[in-house]
Amino acid sequence: EPEVTQTPSHQVTQMGQEVILRCVPISNHLYFYWYRQILGQKVEFLVSFYNNEISEKSEIFDDQFSVERPDGSNFTLKIRSTKLEDSAMYFCASSVRQGGETQYFGPGTRLLVL
Amino acid sequence: GQQVMQIPQYQHVQEGEDFTTYCNSSTTLSNIQWYKQRPGGHPVFLIQLVKSGEVKKQKRLTFQFGEAKKNSSLHITATQTTDVGTYFCAGAGSWGKFQFGAGTQVVVTP
Repeated sequence: EPEVTQTPSHQVTQMGQEVILRCVPISNHLYFYWYRQILGQKVEFLVSFYNNEISEKSEIFDDQFSVERPDGSNFTLKIRSTKLEDSAMYFCASSVRQGGETQYFGPGTRLLVL
Repeated sequence: GQQVMQIPQYQHVQEGEDFTTYCNSSTTLSNIQWYKQRPGGHPVFLIQLVKSGEVKKQKRLTFQFGEAKKNSSLHITATQTTDVGTYFCAGAGSWGKFQFGAGTQVVVTP
């Protein structure tokens, strides 16, 4: 069964450093999402992406964050200057269509900012 | 803005018992999805409800969508240890954006 993959599984970085989290969505999916989950808390929507553009973003997704689809398979989340409070599990998800369509989540990248 | 609330936050269940978790939205939803997240795992899609008053069953799990499309429930009968995890509802209101509830963490005692 096709699945969303994410790399790395764990990332440790120093405060102020840039990190890039990578995702490979399911191949025939057109809509891509990033979520984050701070330890022990709920899943929070960050951004949705379609047709090489951000279609929706939350208030969490400020100027420190950016997303990109650099080629036909990867979908990346960049955090320009990490803060301690960026420490969380970051999940990528993809769906065939947007709105009410089933989203398939990747295994996540656990980011720890020191 | 749209808010999705879930209760209870924790549910401690004896194996074999039933329980229900509830999801309420501050705004009318176009649809609602339920996910299960095992400890240390990622959210896994369970089901989607679209129609007002819709009821869907998956083995021991029964999902309901309220008539006003502002609330939903998940009822599990005869709980098993494999039901352990956190159950999240996610409501789709505005275009392309899901709002997750805080989740109900379920612990099952044998």
